[in-house]
Amino acid sequence: DQQVKQNSPSLSVQEGRISILNCDYTNSMFDYFLWYKKYPAEGPTFLISISSIKDKNEDGRFTVFLNKSAKHLSLHIVPSQPGDSAVYFCAASADGNNRLAFGKGNQVVVIP
Amino acid sequence: NAGVTQTPKFRVLKTGQSMTLLCAQDMNHEYMYWYRQDPGMGLRLIHYSVGEGTTAKGEVPDGYNVSRLKKQNFLLGLESAAPSQTSVYFCASVRDGGSYTFGSGTRLTVV
Repeated sequence: DQQVKQNSPSLSVQEGRISILNCDYTNSMFDYFLWYKKYPAEGPTFLISISSIKDKNEDGRFTVFLNKSAKHLSLHIVPSQPGDSAVYFCAASADGNNRLAFGKGNQVVVIP
Repeated sequence: NAGVTQTPKFRVLKTGQSMTLLCAQDMNHEYMYWYRQDPGMGLRLIHYSVGEGTTAKGEVPDGYNVSRLKKQNFLLGLESAAPSQTSVYFCASVRDGGSYTFGSGTRLTVV
């Protein structure tokens, strides 16, 4: 049973425009959410996170929004750059073992 | 600082063969994890460890065994490989809370 869901597997966006990635979750016990970025033939790398006590976290061009009532979070990348072309995974954690549940990922292609 | 190192990077196995994937981290992290990534499936947790000498099952543990004899190493074993175990395997570690550090992956093909 997929607890973290990422729909719209792929996204194409023009360089300089905004990329918006969405993530839904079903487990109300999740209290920490992360986004990872993955290039081909490499491991995922941490991008940005948000605690359930916040509704927004910003780091440079990347902003994550959390809507707990809707069990929904989104990642905004603005402005998008060609180097942002990658697969983005949404992940969530609920327990003291630091286990993460991952979504299936979104492929982002930024067109120069 | 190497972070998380996985060996080997690539391997082709015949059905029924066994092998061990090695994960080594030099960050003194307590928690270590093995995930597999398959097309359209995202990352699924196989086994994990919360400290030296401990192991626990994740979401898809069948056909795999693990050991954490030393804090810095987490081994994933396949006793009798099957084509369904063809995948990319990622190891990750974390101290406590925060974000994982992932290795670069092992691409395994079972024929």
